[in-house]
Amino acid sequence: NAGVTQTPKFQVLKTGQSMTLQCAQDMNHEYMSWYRQDPGMGLRLIHYSVGAGITDQGEVPNGYNVSRSTTEDFPLRLLSAAPSQTSVYFCASTEGGTRTEAFFGQGTRLTVV
Amino acid sequence: AQTVTQSQPEMSVQEAETVTLSCTYDTSESNYYLFWYKQPPSRQMILVIRQEAYKQQNATENRFSVNFQKAAKSFSLKISDSQLGDTAMYFCAFMKHITDMRFGAGTRLTVKP
Repeated sequence: NAGVTQTPKFQVLKTGQSMTLQCAQDMNHEYMSWYRQDPGMGLRLIHYSVGAGITDQGEVPNGYNVSRSTTEDFPLRLLSAAPSQTSVYFCASTEGGTRTEAFFGQGTRLTVV
Repeated sequence: AQTVTQSQPEMSVQEAETVTLSCTYDTSESNYYLFWYKQPPSRQMILVIRQEAYKQQNATENRFSVNFQKAAKSFSLKISDSQLGDTAMYFCAFMKHITDMRFGAGTRLTVKP
């Protein structure tokens, strides 16, 4: 059982470049989320989805876009990378109902130079 | 918005001893979930323990237990018989809705041989 798979694990971008972080889950979970982790700040919610076709903004959405065309996939797009977006990014999925545990991917370390 | 505070950026403990990590949170809600997640050097986020706010009984998972004080909005994690593999960052998290989990800044725990 693969769980939540994120690619790539590491990425270096130049300022202004765009890229997509991939996230896929094989647990048929309805809820998926993207977080960024910065030193001294824990994880902060970027965007989330409550099902295919439904997404919404979290705490720090600026500079990022998401879409959810299938239950399994939830890609995060950086439109024009900035040094402030240097961070570790985590994708998570949750089943819902009484099953509140979030399952996380292994993270993507992104550096914007 | 709910906030989560972990006042101990770093802690250390001798192998086989007991350590307690602190967490406080701020909310006006009465029903919510609290979590402790472990992040070892591999970067993977691993659920350690979960507490439902409507349950008065403190959650336990083997060597891990919590002291949940709802009125004081406190949720500490006790690790008994510490092992070298417990060395990690520990994050306290608050969740009212599955789509909005708030994390503390983390406590870096080092278990010394």
